[in-house]
Amino acid sequence: EPEVTQTPSHQVTQMGQEVILRCVPISNHLYFYWYRQILGQKVEFLVSFYNNEISEKSEIFDDQFSVERPDGSNFTLKIRSTKLEDSAMYFCARGRGGLEQYFGPGTRLTVT
Amino acid sequence: KNEVEQSPQNLTAQEGEFITINCSYSVGISALHWLQQHPGGGIVSLFMLSSGKKKHGRLIATINIQEKHSSLHITASHPRDSAVYICAVGGRTSGTYKYIFGTGTRLKVLA
Repeated sequence: EPEVTQTPSHQVTQMGQEVILRCVPISNHLYFYWYRQILGQKVEFLVSFYNNEISEKSEIFDDQFSVERPDGSNFTLKIRSTKLEDSAMYFCARGRGGLEQYFGPGTRLTVT
Repeated sequence: KNEVEQSPQNLTAQEGEFITINCSYSVGISALHWLQQHPGGGIVSLFMLSSGKKKHGRLIATINIQEKHSSLHITASHPRDSAVYICAVGGRTSGTYKYIFGTGTRLKVLA
């Protein structure tokens, strides 16, 4: 199973600050996904990304979120102005377009 | 009602016991994923299955598509199996495959 890495593993930020979470790609994976898990709750789908475009997003993924592959390598999730309720584990997943998705270890975001 | 229900929510077992975790879902799916989440939060994929049964070491996963039910079994459980086990059902909507997750089963295996 291919490895999926995410950086940082833990990010602490102040409310209102911008954060960027990164997912390191596998060369033959074209589909990327972000999921979020608020502490004590279930994992939720945020967004899927293919061919440099968002292919689907959930209602959670509002205007303060954005995703991109800025240089064709890392896949990033940006939160423009963090709120306390953005504190969660954020998981990146990669795949080839089907249901075989490989999950990263997650980034724990703490907003204070 | 949740689209994916897991039972039990919490489970404590003695080392060596045979463990079963259940997952029922109400949506049409293409595949089901069993995941393991460690105390640090990281997720590890255990199985992806769309029919029948898969086995890996002491872990066995089964799925019955008609009954919309899957089970994860752990034979000869060990304290290192202590984790949260998550069932996620996958299907295609709006052109994208994505997963809907259950709330997880917290397993603790005592030595």
